[in-house]
Amino acid sequence: GNSVTQMEGPVTLSEEAFLTINCTYTATGYPSLFWYVQYPGEGLQLLLKATKADDKGSNKGFEATYRKETTSFHLEKGSVQVSDSAVYFCALSDKGKLIFGQGTELSVKP
Amino acid sequence: EPEVTQTPSHQVTQMGQEVILRCVPISNHLYFYWYRQILGQKVEFLVSFYNNEISEKSEIFDDQFSVERPDGSNFTLKIRSTKLEDSAMYFCASSETSGGRTGELFFGEGSRLTVL
Repeated sequence: GNSVTQMEGPVTLSEEAFLTINCTYTATGYPSLFWYVQYPGEGLQLLLKATKADDKGSNKGFEATYRKETTSFHLEKGSVQVSDSAVYFCALSDKGKLIFGQGTELSVKP
Repeated sequence: EPEVTQTPSHQVTQMGQEVILRCVPISNHLYFYWYRQILGQKVEFLVSFYNNEISEKSEIFDDQFSVERPDGSNFTLKIRSTKLEDSAMYFCASSETSGGRTGELFFGEGSRLTVL
């Protein structure tokens, strides 16, 4: 069946460092791909999405490109801030529902 | 800004007891979902609900589980006889359109269930 795999956390970075969180997927067909973020004490919220191959989703300085050839959707940010500390979830669409990865915790230190 | 609210935020219960988790979705949304996350594991789909009936459910969603929209605002998840392995964070979500197409699900903060 369809599945999503994310890199293990926690990831700890200093402020202004470059961030990459890896996400790969297994799917039949060409699902839409998403990154959700969960800030402390809050629910999951959509960060960005891409609906077809080579699309780039972007929001709040974060980017991810839908790579069909490598079945990946890695999340990147050029310069992280303390306020980016959260848990990040990669997900794909599957017939009316989302399938999530296990989440990657990011901690940004000043 | 409209939001999905869940109660309780944390519930501790004894094995075998019934538990009801409550959710108030965003008012103009039509699709409702329950997901759960066992500590350290993936966020797993449990069930989707549309037009007052279940549209899809996962293998996890066995006869122990049920969902209901008892009035125009609440969406509940009932676990009939809790087991230790039901301990998890349960997330409610809602969306205007089918979430799998657009991905725009709005999630609540979650209800943590601890079964002793």
